[in-house]
Amino acid sequence: EDKVVQSPLSLVVHEGDTVTLNCSYEVTNFRSLLWYKQEKKAPTFLFMLTSSGIEKKSGRLSSILDKKELFSILNITATQTGDSAIYLCAEQGAQKLVFGQGTRLTINP
Amino acid sequence: NAGVTQTPKFHILKTGQSMTLQCAQDMNHGYMSWYRQDPGMGLRLIYYSAAAGTTDKEVPNGYNVSRLNTEDFPLRLVSAAPSQTSVYLCASPRRGSGIQPQHFGDGTRLSIL
Repeated sequence: EDKVVQSPLSLVVHEGDTVTLNCSYEVTNFRSLLWYKQEKKAPTFLFMLTSSGIEKKSGRLSSILDKKELFSILNITATQTGDSAIYLCAEQGAQKLVFGQGTRLTINP
Repeated sequence: NAGVTQTPKFHILKTGQSMTLQCAQDMNHGYMSWYRQDPGMGLRLIYYSAAAGTTDKEVPNGYNVSRLNTEDFPLRLVSAAPSQTSVYLCASPRRGSGIQPQHFGDGTRLSIL
């Protein structure tokens, strides 16, 4: 059965810190690895990674995929209170998304 | 271009009642899916549809869907049970070349008493 595991489940840091969120996966028919940010409502799309070793970057957020070791990381530098959210990792196979449990990130001022 | 629209936003049901959650997308993509989100468990797939006229079930019983056209993918709770209390999220990719990420509606928060 396909499985996605995120760590840590919860993380509290101070504003300005850098954080790294982890996502490992065991899936058949891998197509892509996605990261979402969820605040109060719907998960909003951050990154999609399909090729190993290529870094996707948007402002202070970046992500990289290692297809050999079956994991991905999401990095946030110079964190701000607005980064507080649940970050979800998901593997997109042929027909569906398989999600990890999510990492609840809290940024304290 | 609204993306994925879900209604209602909130609802309370009594055990045994039935209800249909609505999901509509204007991204002209064949694929649509329903997830439920419970605390500490991430999102779990309930049903998906690859195209109008086709549906596939991921979890046993308790839910029905229909896909009569590309835009709409309603989810029906046949006889609601307290275990179905959850946030229900509908998703669809945007139409485009190659692999497309799925985008979510704002969800329906459903409580069953």
